[in-house]
Parts: sequence; structure tokens; C-alpha cells
Amino acid sequence: GENVEQHPSTLSVQEGDSAVIKCTYSDSASNYFPWYKQELGKGPQLIIDIRSNVGEKKDQRIAVTLNKTAKHFSLHITETQPEDSAVYFCAAGGTSYGKLTFGQGTILTVHP
Amino acid sequence: DSGVTQTPKHLITATGQRVTLRCSPRSGDLSVYWYQQSLDQGLQFLIQYYNGEERAKGNILERFSAQQFPDLHSELNLSSLELGDSALYFCASSVTGRAEKLFFGSGTQLSVL
Repeated sequence: GENVEQHPSTLSVQEGDSAVIKCTYSDSASNYFPWYKQELGKGPQLIIDIRSNVGEKKDQRIAVTLNKTAKHFSLHITETQPEDSAVYFCAAGGTSYGKLTFGQGTILTVHP
Repeated sequence: DSGVTQTPKHLITATGQRVTLRCSPRSGDLSVYWYQQSLDQGLQFLIQYYNGEERAKGNILERFSAQQFPDLHSELNLSSLELGDSALYFCASSVTGRAEKLFFGSGTQLSVL
């Protein structure tokens, strides 16, 4: 089955800096790649997603890039703010209904 | 607020017992997904229902079962509980049968003592 590796496991940045989180996937048939943000005591919240027919997608300070050949995708957060501090999860899916495989998560801390 | 409601928020029980977790999806969503979150395993997909029918199965133990009712709410039943079943259980919902643009509830924290 699909396997998703996520790095780094923890990331600490200063407010205003950029943050990059990377994921690799194993199943070349995967065609849907969402990113979720989980704050303490809450469920994961979708922040951005990309399909395999698109190489890059941007939404304000957040962008995701996808390299299908290398089977990796990345989340880029620019001008980070303390409220960006959370756990971020990447995921891969689209090969079968209901099956979304998550990475292990990245704890992002933005210091004021 | 995601619009997905899970009850109870916390559940403390003993080994060997049986519990039921409940989920109400967002209005209009036909699919319900159950995930287990633990520190060592991360977010693991358990099972999906779409409009009352089981659609996909993940790493769900035989001791666990689920169903989706005509009003689209879902229940996850966990039986013969073991210490290792302690985890955060999330329900998510989506409009379609594909696991895309999922909306997650706040979860049920299960502690098996």
C-alpha cells in the first residue's frame, strides 16, 4: 500500500521567516495530495490540496509544489506568524475510495 | 467549527469493555470516515461509509465495527478493549465518496485503563 514519509518532524522558525515541510509518497498511482493543520485539542483542518495534473498551487501565504517524477510534494508557508504554530500533516490518496494515507506530522513552532 | 459533531469528547473505560463513539457529519455530506490517531501510529484510516454503505476499509481490527444510519450519522463500536486501543478517534465527512476535502470533528479521546 501507499507509504508517506514526512520531514522534518519538528520545525522552529522566527516570525516572518518561511517554513518548508516535505513529503514523499510511494504509490505512483496517487493523484491527490492534501495538507492538514491540526491545532491543540482540535481535529485536522484542510489548508490546501493539489492534484497530480498541477505542479504548484498557491493560496495567500501558503503554497504547495508537486514533483510527480520524484514522488514528492512540499508545503511552503511564507511570512510565518505565531498563529501558524500547529502540527501539519501531508497525505496522499486518490487510488481508491476512502483511502487517504497521512504522513507522521510536523510540529511547527513560530517564535514571536 | 467544521460542522462535524463527535460525542463523547472523552471516554474512560476498562480493558475488556465495549464502547460506542458517535459522529454526525456536516449537513449534506454523504460520506463518513473514521480515523485513529496515536503517537506511534499517527493518523490511521479505519473505515468509510457512503450513504449508508461501507465503501472502504483500512486498518480496522475485527473487534471494531461501524455503521452509518439512514440519517447519515455514524457509530464506531469498539469491543474487547485493550490498553493499546487508547487513542484519539476522529470522524470526518465529505460530500462525495472520495477522500477529498475532508472535514474532521474534534475527536473522542479514549482511555482504556
